[in-house]
Amino acid sequence: DAGITQSPRHKVTETGTPVTLRCHQTENHRYMYWYRQDPGHGLRLIHYSYGVKDTDKGEVSDGYSVSRSKTEDFLLTLESATSSQTSVYFCAIRTDRGNTEAFFGQGTRLTVV
Amino acid sequence: DAKTTQPPSMDCAEGRAANLPCNHSTISGNEYVYWYRQIHSQGPQYIIHGLKNNETNEMASLIITEDRKSSTLILPHATLRDTAVYYCTRVADSGGGADGLTFGKGTHLIIQP
Repeated sequence: DAGITQSPRHKVTETGTPVTLRCHQTENHRYMYWYRQDPGHGLRLIHYSYGVKDTDKGEVSDGYSVSRSKTEDFLLTLESATSSQTSVYFCAIRTDRGNTEAFFGQGTRLTVV
Repeated sequence: DAKTTQPPSMDCAEGRAANLPCNHSTISGNEYVYWYRQIHSQGPQYIIHGLKNNETNEMASLIITEDRKSSTLILPHATLRDTAVYYCTRVADSGGGADGLTFGKGTHLIIQP
């Protein structure tokens, strides 16, 4: 398995509180992605990064921010969590060396109450 | 993902070949077709990819039409463990990471005993 770790794996938080999810990789891959998955919607891209301090928005970026200060870490922050952000969040990594596949983490289940 | 179209669900008998179609009629010349699957609530897993030639690996075969507007993923001898959601996506050569990596809702393949 690719060296990709998401933390925490499960979290319950209250509406209005800030939450940060972490994605850590040991593969030195350039590209990192955050997705959310909800019933009936499949995987939806939130934000992605193509290098340290280089990030861009995906299709469902409202309410989320990201940071990548080191190659190995990509942080997803919910500044003020809402119940609509209850979801399963997946991180993925991909190298830029040729045309290769993405590797996914095991997911973080976030519940906002 | 409007870039690909897949049937929402399919059934297949155990031991038979499962053929999963994907339409990508607007695919560009430099875009590869990638297939992933997601078993239950795990992170998605790469299966196979191709540009224009048919491809085969230990998991599956990928048949791409000559005009590249559609493809079919073939699981030659489906088992119960192949029950999963299968995603077809397009990735630009080398630059795919910088453009994000998006998925549609996929096909829920159910293998019947």
